[in-house]
Amino acid sequence: DVKVTQSSRYLVKRTGEKVFLECVQDMDHENMFWYRQDPGLGLRLIYFSYDVKMKEKGDIPEGYSVSREKKERFSLILESASTNQTSMYLCASSPSRTGLMGYTFGSGTRLTVV
Amino acid sequence: DAKTTQPPSMDCAEGRAANLPCNHSTISGNEYVYWYRQIHSQGPQYIIHGLKNNETNEMASLIITEDRKSSTLILPHATLRDTAVYYCIVRVAGTASKLTFGTGTRLQVTL
Repeated sequence: DVKVTQSSRYLVKRTGEKVFLECVQDMDHENMFWYRQDPGLGLRLIYFSYDVKMKEKGDIPEGYSVSREKKERFSLILESASTNQTSMYLCASSPSRTGLMGYTFGSGTRLTVV
Repeated sequence: DAKTTQPPSMDCAEGRAANLPCNHSTISGNEYVYWYRQIHSQGPQYIIHGLKNNETNEMASLIITEDRKSSTLILPHATLRDTAVYYCIVRVAGTASKLTFGTGTRLQVTL
């Protein structure tokens, strides 16, 4: 069964900490995405990547960075966590640049910044 | 990508068909309609997508109107496990663009 695995289900961090959220997919997909989900706002795209070492900003990249050193792994970095980054973070992957196939999502990481 | 409009919530009795509408009146000729759902505390799950013909798979059917300005996702025999938020998304194929999710329709299946 195809899988997108997020390293943590729940995470609590302090304001100002550097936070790493890891995502690994085992489907050899080219595309990977990071979203955050907040009540009433739906899913919002933070960053995405079409290939190793390649990244593009999504709709809300401020306060975040990403890293894709290997095809299967896409990391989201909060350089200095703030309370307004408390959210559910979802990683996804898709198999082709044409985007005709569906996305596969991970189960999410619920991050609380205190 | 074209904007979509969905009702915020719907109810359906278990065993009955759930018909979830989506308006996408500004859709262009090369845009596909995708449907996803998100069960509580899980990541969204792909259901089905289509361009202009009706589509069916093991999960659902997708009916797209002839003018493509609206579509309906049909769950033929809804169960309690189909309770979820359903997202209708319109996106150009042939590009590597991301999916943009709105707030979707919260479907509550009841006994």
